[in-house]
Amino acid sequence: NAGVTQTPKFQVLKTGQGMTLQCAQDMNHEYMSWYRQDPGMGLRLIHYSVGAGITDQGEVPNGYNVSRSTTEDFPLRLLSAAPSQTSVYFCASSYRGSDETQYFGPGTRLLVL
Amino acid sequence: AQKVTQAQTEISVVEKEDVTLDCVYETRDTTYYLFWYKQPPSGELVFLIRRNSFDEQNEISGRYSWNFQKSTSSFNFTITASQVVDSAVYFCALSEAVTGANSKLTFGKGITLSVRP
Repeated sequence: NAGVTQTPKFQVLKTGQGMTLQCAQDMNHEYMSWYRQDPGMGLRLIHYSVGAGITDQGEVPNGYNVSRSTTEDFPLRLLSAAPSQTSVYFCASSYRGSDETQYFGPGTRLLVL
Repeated sequence: AQKVTQAQTEISVVEKEDVTLDCVYETRDTTYYLFWYKQPPSGELVFLIRRNSFDEQNEISGRYSWNFQKSTSSFNFTITASQVVDSAVYFCALSEAVTGANSKLTFGKGITLSVRP
């Protein structure tokens, strides 16, 4: 099993550009989530999904879109990047919910100029 | 709403010292889960422990031990005889025992531990 994979590992964007951060898992997990990590702020939940076709907002959803068309994939879309979205993004998955051990991807470091 | 507080932001110890990382949580649920994760300098997040609210037994795993006290809403983590490889950021996290909607994991802000040789 590859576990949770994220691409790209690093990305530089200009303000206003859009991009999609990819996340995939091969563990047949129903629950997937996206976090951003900023210095001194810990990890904050952006969006999460409890199964294909079902998504919901977390603590800091503004500026991000998600969809979940398959169990395996949970992409995070930035429609118009802003410097405030410079961060490290982690995708995570677990079997059913957030009360179970989350398996994290390696992270994507995003710099918005 | 659930909340996790890690009041210590940075701790520096000399190798072989014992160190305790504090975690205080808030939740209105009676059933919940607590976690500790480690983030070494390489950046990945490593799962350390998961504990449910009905199990107040202390846990020991090698040099690591955890003290869960519901009376004080705390879930503290102790590293005995610290080593340089323990240098990392440590996160405490809380989830209420729900699946489906409102299934959210809340993290503390993390404690940066530096172990000096």
